[in-house]
Formats: sequence, C-alpha cells, structure tokens
Amino acid sequence: GQQLNQSPQSMFIQEGEDVSMNCTSSSIFNTWLWYKQDPGEGPVLLIALYKAGELTSNGRLTAQFGITRKDSFLNISASIPSDVGIYFCAGTRQGAQKLVFGQGTRLTINP
Amino acid sequence: KAGVTQTPRYLIKTRGQQVTLSCSPISGHRSVSWYQQTPGQGLQFLFEYFSETQRNKGNFPGRFSGRQFSNSRSEMNVSTLELGDSALYLCASSAVSQETQYFGPGTRLLVL
Repeated sequence: GQQLNQSPQSMFIQEGEDVSMNCTSSSIFNTWLWYKQDPGEGPVLLIALYKAGELTSNGRLTAQFGITRKDSFLNISASIPSDVGIYFCAGTRQGAQKLVFGQGTRLTINP
Repeated sequence: KAGVTQTPRYLIKTRGQQVTLSCSPISGHRSVSWYQQTPGQGLQFLFEYFSETQRNKGNFPGRFSGRQFSNSRSEMNVSTLELGDSALYLCASSAVSQETQYFGPGTRLLVL
C-alpha cells in the first residue's frame, strides 16, 4: 500500500491560476520525486529533490523538500491547458530501498 | 539517450491465458521496477530487479513473475490471466536500485 498522503486528490482551476499540491508522511524520506502522467502514458519525471530544504524549479514548476524531511510540495505557476493530468509524488523512506507513491492529484483546467 | 521502452503497447487476452511483457531500460541503468496501475488502486509495486536478481517484491500472487537479463532488459509474465489483471503495466528504470526512476510508456493489457 501507499505510505504517502497526497493532497488534494483533485483540483479544478481556471487557466492562468497558480496551483499547489503537497505530500506528507509520518516517516522521514531521503528523496522526493514529482511526476506528471498524461492519460494512457507513463509518468514523466518533473523534479527530483535529494536534500532537506532543497528548492528546485523546472520552468513554471517549483518543488521543495520539506525541512522535516516528512513532506514536499509542488507549485505550478500561471497554469496552461497542457498542465492537465495526474501529478504523483514519490519518495524513498530512510532505511528502505523501495520507492513509494502518493495517490495522485488530478488537475483539470477550465480555459 | 533513449528512454525506457516497453513492448507491446497494447494487448488483448482472454481469461486463463498467459502474457509476457518486455521492458528495455535506459542505457546504463541496472535496476528495473514493474508497477500495475488501475483506476481504483493507483500505482501498485510488483517487483524490482537489479543486476539480474529480484531485490524487492510487492504483494501480488505468484501468477506474476519476472526476470532480468544480463543486458538489463526485463520481462514480466502473468499466468492464468483473470479479468482483474486488466491494467496499465509500467516499467521504470534507475541507475541504482530504487533511486530516481524513469518510466516507460506502459503496456495496456485488457483481459476479456
């Protein structure tokens, strides 16, 4: 089963709005990853975070590795129609060798 | 560098049959992980292979098996297919075991 709590589960926004989603866990993580999945395709890696407090951007996307190492957030600025999809967080728990995934956030954009 | 490739992309089988899916990782990657994705269950981890050895296994029945070859290519086999096996099967590769993973496009399996 999944060990990451990802929220919100879905978002309905207007084009141009900013988006924020996050993942939390009761466990400490060594790595946080954010993926985007389009329908019928495999998840595509957006941002990878490896250090507590790390803040990384990829175009309009910004993600941060929480200072407690138990959470991470992803922000999307000025959303556009191609941002539609499902966003997954994933991480590797301290002491484990398995990548665990959040339940996903489904983003819908009204033009 | 070419990405992760999976074949076939789409497959239709009937109950009781078996199926083999193939995954070629990114060149130089030695770890291959397999996932099952369904609308109701999300991404479920099947197993991981690293240097031809199974390192991690999820909670799936023995009908699901896999292997990895010396060139890091991996195959997944499902025997005695059931309707509930209909899903998108994803393969992901990483340079080091369970590190940053890169996914392939998936194989969509439909069991009738």
